[in-house]
Amino acid sequence: AQSVSQHNHHVILSEAASLELGCNYSYGGTVNLFWYVQYPGQHLQLLLKYFSGDPLVKGIKGFEAEFIKSKFSFNLRKPSVQWSDTAEYFCAVNAREYGNKLVFGAGTILRVKS
Amino acid sequence: EPEVTQTPSHQVTQMGQEVILRCVPISNHLYFYWYRQILGQKVEFLVSFYNNEISEKSEIFDDQFSVERPDGSNFTLKIRSTKLEDSAMYFCASSDSASISYYTFGSGTRLTVV
Repeated sequence: AQSVSQHNHHVILSEAASLELGCNYSYGGTVNLFWYVQYPGQHLQLLLKYFSGDPLVKGIKGFEAEFIKSKFSFNLRKPSVQWSDTAEYFCAVNAREYGNKLVFGAGTILRVKS
Repeated sequence: EPEVTQTPSHQVTQMGQEVILRCVPISNHLYFYWYRQILGQKVEFLVSFYNNEISEKSEIFDDQFSVERPDGSNFTLKIRSTKLEDSAMYFCASSDSASISYYTFGSGTRLTVV
């Protein structure tokens, strides 16, 4: 069965610090990879996605993620976080042969101190 | 930007009662989904729905659960006899395509069973 691991449940950073959130998945076939963000009281929003091609994917709000197939990883990065990045971040995987469902990681709560 | 709307945002119900969670997908979308997130746990797939029938469901989606598209605009999730462990955030999502890249999530309904 597919599973997704996010290594940190809580991360606290100061503004302007760099961010890297880890995500690993366990599935050997072809995958689509996603990062979602949920701001307090709001819906899940897509930050970025990887389907194929360049493994370095750029998303909204200055986020990027790198797909490393050999490590089954899709880590999320941002060079300089802002207070407004405070939110919960979810990595999600879709294995193409399993249809349209997403398998989510447990989420990482990011708090940025101003 | 089109949105998926979920109502209510928070519902409290007594154990054993039936609840109906409502979702209004984006108007031209054809694929509909329910996910849930128990507090502190992962977002989990419940069910997908297309062409007025369930296309896939998870182990969680047992006989207590049902989905319906009663009037061409709403998409509902019914829990017949709620249990304490049904307390969770329930997310609806819709897509205009079988491709997973076009998911749009609603803001969720927090269900509390007491």
